[in-house]
Amino acid sequence: DSGVTQTPKHLITATGQRVTLRCSPRSGDLSVYWYQQSLDQGLQFLIQYYNGEERAKGNILERFSAQQFPDLHSELNLSSLELGDSALYFCASSVGGREEKLFFGSGTQLSVL
Amino acid sequence: GENVEQHPSTLSVQEGDSAVIKCTYSDSASNYFPWYKQELGKGPQLIIDIRSNVGEKKDQRIAVTLNKTAKHFSLHITETQPEDSAVYFCAASKGAYSGAGSYQLTFGKGTKLSVIP
Repeated sequence: DSGVTQTPKHLITATGQRVTLRCSPRSGDLSVYWYQQSLDQGLQFLIQYYNGEERAKGNILERFSAQQFPDLHSELNLSSLELGDSALYFCASSVGGREEKLFFGSGTQLSVL
Repeated sequence: GENVEQHPSTLSVQEGDSAVIKCTYSDSASNYFPWYKQELGKGPQLIIDIRSNVGEKKDQRIAVTLNKTAKHFSLHITETQPEDSAVYFCAASKGAYSGAGSYQLTFGKGTKLSVIP
């Protein structure tokens, strides 16, 4: 168990809908990262938050947004969903600062029908 | 941006044999190279990592080597066991910048390792 908690584990929705994925980082970790895993693209970095502030952005679509709350949990919001958004979404956390080791949650499997 | 190529995509070995997975990276500024193991239904788990100032690192049956000049690094698993069967990912990052770290990792596409009993 990595200590990173993601909910829900599975999400099935329809095109055009909006969903929210939730992540609780390991106790003491200040950084949260979101990754998307698909068969053709592999693991793609989406966005990172550090202590409530956006730190880095990767290949995140404009339809997607994220935030990190004062209690350090994070949410990834996906809107106007398309079939191609179906993927496994992972959250990872790290201490931040000079710590490079990322710890991943078990992921949320999103299926857009 | 960084590009990480990983080979092979699938690898089958007999139990007890060694397994080697190779990765190349494109950005010479990358300085941190972790390896992750992903089992079915789980998230990637860090198994070993190496920094650019080190050429080799070992942890029991697992070792990683880094050749900065050639920009490639490899994972070596010796005396493989059935429980080593999983998907392995290499990754690269440039490490921290200006204060709080941004360790966004660029991952390879993964290697599915099957250890045959």
